[in-house]
Amino acid sequence: DAKTTQPPSMDCAEGRAANLPCNHSTISGNEYVYWYRQIHSQGPQYIIHGLKNNETNEMASLIITEDRKSSTLILPHATLRDTAVYYCIVPSGGYNKLIFGAGTRLAVHP
Amino acid sequence: DTAVSQTPKYLVTQMGNDKSIKCEQNLGHDTMYWYKQDSKKFLKIMFSYNNKELIINETVPNRFSPKSPDKAHLNLHINSLELGDSAVYFCASSPHFGAGTEAFFGQGTRLTVV
Repeated sequence: DAKTTQPPSMDCAEGRAANLPCNHSTISGNEYVYWYRQIHSQGPQYIIHGLKNNETNEMASLIITEDRKSSTLILPHATLRDTAVYYCIVPSGGYNKLIFGAGTRLAVHP
Repeated sequence: DTAVSQTPKYLVTQMGNDKSIKCEQNLGHDTMYWYKQDSKKFLKIMFSYNNKELIINETVPNRFSPKSPDKAHLNLHINSLELGDSAVYFCASSPHFGAGTEAFFGQGTRLTVV
């Protein structure tokens, strides 16, 4: 899989935007960028994915750089319930085979 | 209704026993997966089935045998359980195996081998 690099941890104040970066410099032209999160003791939860264009849904926005070598997940108004480990994943080969790394542990504080 | 449901949620058993974990999805998806999360918290894919056919087998010991009676179910049977099998096992499903679709995960089965 295309290797992704994420900071191990980040902090964010409640109500502020959380911007989680991800580097995927070896990404190929047809590979998607996915974001999942895992809240303590729960199953991973899908957040968003994109190929080339920026994407937005009810949970978050995904900003992909023009060269596609990096992306940023934005949680516009973080809440305490957004405290979780966030995974940036780039499955390879055109298949939906998710390889999870260590992710970024986001702590949202009051 | 729970989209991907696993049973049991907790399983404590002795070494050498055989146990099964069941998974069902009511999303009409074609593809199902098993993942293992060990004590170090890394999630690793074990198996994937697409329309009841095995498409991924990630070098898992053959004591682990997935079975898919239909595309809504993917069960995991483990023979001769070992201490190192203790982990949380997650089932997941996606509409198909191609890129560009999201996966939905169950809440996990915490297996403890004593």
